[in-house]
Amino acid sequence: GAVVSQHPSRVICKSGTSVKIECRSLDFQATTMFWYRQFPKQSLMLMATSNEGSKATYEQGVEKDKFLINHASLTLSTLTVTSAHPEDSSFYICSAPGQGNEQYFGPGTRLTVT
Amino acid sequence: AQTVTQSQPEMSVQEAETVTLSCTYDTSESNYYLFWYKQPPSRQMILVIRQEAYKQQNATENRFSVNFQKAAKSFSLKISDSQLGDTAMYFCADTRSGNTPLVFGKGTRLSVIA
Repeated sequence: GAVVSQHPSRVICKSGTSVKIECRSLDFQATTMFWYRQFPKQSLMLMATSNEGSKATYEQGVEKDKFLINHASLTLSTLTVTSAHPEDSSFYICSAPGQGNEQYFGPGTRLTVT
Repeated sequence: AQTVTQSQPEMSVQEAETVTLSCTYDTSESNYYLFWYKQPPSRQMILVIRQEAYKQQNATENRFSVNFQKAAKSFSLKISDSQLGDTAMYFCADTRSGNTPLVFGKGTRLSVIA
């Protein structure tokens, strides 16, 4: 089956710094990828839709200048959390559409901002 | 807007018994897709079962089956012969198509007890 990878799986950064999270489709091309955020014991909330070759579409309430998304190729989307603060600490998950209207999820990235 | 409601925050079931998780949804789309995802402690999202709204027949995958009631906008998941490995968070989700993001319910934490 299709595989989506994320890197890093865990990252700790200091408040005020930036951190980049990569999402790769390993054996298929993805013109669209989705970024979700999951706080502890909560559900997945869509942050943005990443589109290859065009600007990302952000959900209401998500700061596009803080969460920079770049869909650099048909297999790679990156999410950069700029000037991170402790409240940005969360679990970030990407997904990519596949066959049969299924979406393939990455394993997630746990971000901790100290 | 699409909404998905899971009214059972937590459930428990004895090993080998059967349990049903509830889900209702609200969409104005004429065609859509419904999913149940499992999120074990590893937090990797795993597709359990999917249902196309235009199909009347309830989907079945081994021990997992759904009761899809389109008029009532209900999509419950039945797990038969529950196993310890079924312990996880279960999320109900829907989407218009494979290229649109998933809308998730708040989840049901299922514990299978030996």
